[in-house]
Parts: sequence; C-alpha cells; structure tokens
Amino acid sequence: KNQVEQSPQSLIILEGKNCTLQCNYTVSPFSNLRWYKQDTGRGPVSLTIMTFSENTKSNGRYTATLDADTKQSSLHITASQLSDSASYICVVTRAYSGAGSYQLTFGKGTKLSVIP
Amino acid sequence: DAGVIQSPRHEVTEMGQEVTLRCKPISGHDYLFWYRQTMMRGLELLIYFNNNVPIDDSGMPEDRFSAKMPNASFSTLKIQPSEPRDSAVYFCASRTGLRNEKLFFGSGTQLSVL
Repeated sequence: KNQVEQSPQSLIILEGKNCTLQCNYTVSPFSNLRWYKQDTGRGPVSLTIMTFSENTKSNGRYTATLDADTKQSSLHITASQLSDSASYICVVTRAYSGAGSYQLTFGKGTKLSVIP
Repeated sequence: DAGVIQSPRHEVTEMGQEVTLRCKPISGHDYLFWYRQTMMRGLELLIYFNNNVPIDDSGMPEDRFSAKMPNASFSTLKIQPSEPRDSAVYFCASRTGLRNEKLFFGSGTQLSVL
C-alpha cells in the first residue's frame, strides 16, 4: 500500500534555531517528492521538488534531502523565523502508469511552531 | 495572476441543507482537483478533472457528493444533503499537464455542518 509517514507530528522551537522534519514513504514506483508549506488558513504552497536523481536541494533557508534507497526525505530549516510557523506536508508522486494516470500520496504533515 | 480562487471562504449550514463550493482555476491549467482536509486524515483527493472531464472520482465519499466542471474556468463541488461529518476544509487545486508540475491550491472553504 502506498503510504507517506511524517514525523514528528508537531514541533516547537525557539526563533533562530534549526530543525529537521522527516518523511518516509512506501510509494512505488517513485516519480518525485514535494514539500509543501501550509500557513494557517491558507492552501499548501510548494517549497521544493526532489526527483530520483537528486540527493540535496536548497531553497533559501530550506534544504531538502532524498535517499531513494531507504525511501526517506528530510526538510531542514536553518535559523528559523516566526514566519516559518506552518504545517509542512510531504507529497510523493507515483510514476505514471499510463495515459490519464495521476497518483499523489500525501503525508499528514508536521505542524511547526516557532516561538520568540 | 490571481491564483486559484475559491468561494465562499467559510460556510456554515444546517444538516440536510445543500452546499455548493466554487472554484476558478488558474488560466491555462488543464488539471483541476478537489481535496478535503481534516485533522485526522490530512488531505484526501475527492475528484480530479482533465480538460473539464472527470478522470477519477473514486475519492468521492458517497452519492451525496457531486462535482462538475462546465468549462475550463469554473468548477463546483456540491453536497446534498450535508451531514455534520462533512465538516472540513475543502481545497481546489490546479496544475498544467507538464511532468513534475506542482499543484497550485486555493485558500480553501471552511465548511461547518451543524
């Protein structure tokens, strides 16, 4: 069964500190993995995409990693800011299996709270 | 571009009433998705359209739910009759058909069925 598990469920950190969010998946065959950020009361917004051949990718203070062998990804946030408070959702796409086929599996997200 | 536009932002209704949620996708996007988000289950795909044609509605909970896309710039999700367990945030999202393209989400409709 295709599943995406995220940990921790929630996290509270002090402003300026670093943190790492985890995503483990069983989706197969794998196409790509995206991290989305969802602010309270808003829809998710894509932060970054990781494809099979990519190990690390940075987007400002956000760094995503992917280990396709162990089916794990992480999102590292450096020097956290109050505006980083949000839910972070990991979404894995299953490789297309034919015309019209489209399969995403969503994790339930990690709720990050950055406090002053 | 204004992004994906959903209306209303909030809807409070009584059990048994009909609810209609509306979505305007980003111009040029040929895929449109309806999702439901709850604390317990996270984001769940209800149905998606490609070029206005419903492709997969296996996520629609039951016959009380229906969705239409009469043209490329408008879609509706209807619940009739509504029940308290339908209370959730409903998101519409759109994307192009390019491989690896990301989803663009609307701001959602917070539905409360009393």
